[in-house]
Amino acid sequence: DQQVKQNSPSLSVQEGRISILNCDYTNSMFDYFLWYKKYPAEGPTFLISISSIKDKNEDGRFTVFLNKSAKHLSLHIVPSQPGDSAVYFCAASEAGNQFYFGTGTSLTVIP
Amino acid sequence: GAGVSQSPSNKVTEKGKDVELRCDPISGHTALYWYRQSLGQGLEFLIYFQGNSAPDKSGLPSDRFSAERTGGSVSTLTIQRTQQEDSAVYLCASSARTGVSYEQYFGPGTRLTVT
Repeated sequence: DQQVKQNSPSLSVQEGRISILNCDYTNSMFDYFLWYKKYPAEGPTFLISISSIKDKNEDGRFTVFLNKSAKHLSLHIVPSQPGDSAVYFCAASEAGNQFYFGTGTSLTVIP
Repeated sequence: GAGVSQSPSNKVTEKGKDVELRCDPISGHTALYWYRQSLGQGLEFLIYFQGNSAPDKSGLPSDRFSAERTGGSVSTLTIQRTQQEDSAVYLCASSARTGVSYEQYFGPGTRLTVT
């Protein structure tokens, strides 16, 4: 059973606008969450993380929000750039052991 | 600095043959993970090594899959008697696990095709 879900397989956004990627999880014991970006034929690269003691973490154009009561996290990219076009995976873990990944959302930023 | 490397980058094998996939983690990283990504799917956890502890093998899909990590560094994932459903990209990641950071660094993957 999928413990981490990304229900939107794809998203298209105009350059300069905000991209919002969503992720839901089922295990309330998860306490560490990460977002990865993946280009074709490459391994995923780390983007941003958040621990359950926070509800927001910001790094430049990227902000991750965590809503523990809803078991939901989101990644905001603003302003979106064409180079942001990639597949984005969210991942969750309990104490940094086994990580569960979502199925990914393919983001296309239209120039 | 050197990142995570994996070899081979591509492997085509006949059904029923054994294959070995190699992962060289970042030097000093104590944690090493294997995942696979089948076409159109997310990353599926396979196995996790942390220091000298017994590995977490809970993600291995069958007893045809095994992995070892020698000297706390290089890891080899072995698939015996390969089946067509084993075709996927196999990804390795390592992590320093310092403090509260569990950031994983991924290799480029090995694309396995079983014909």
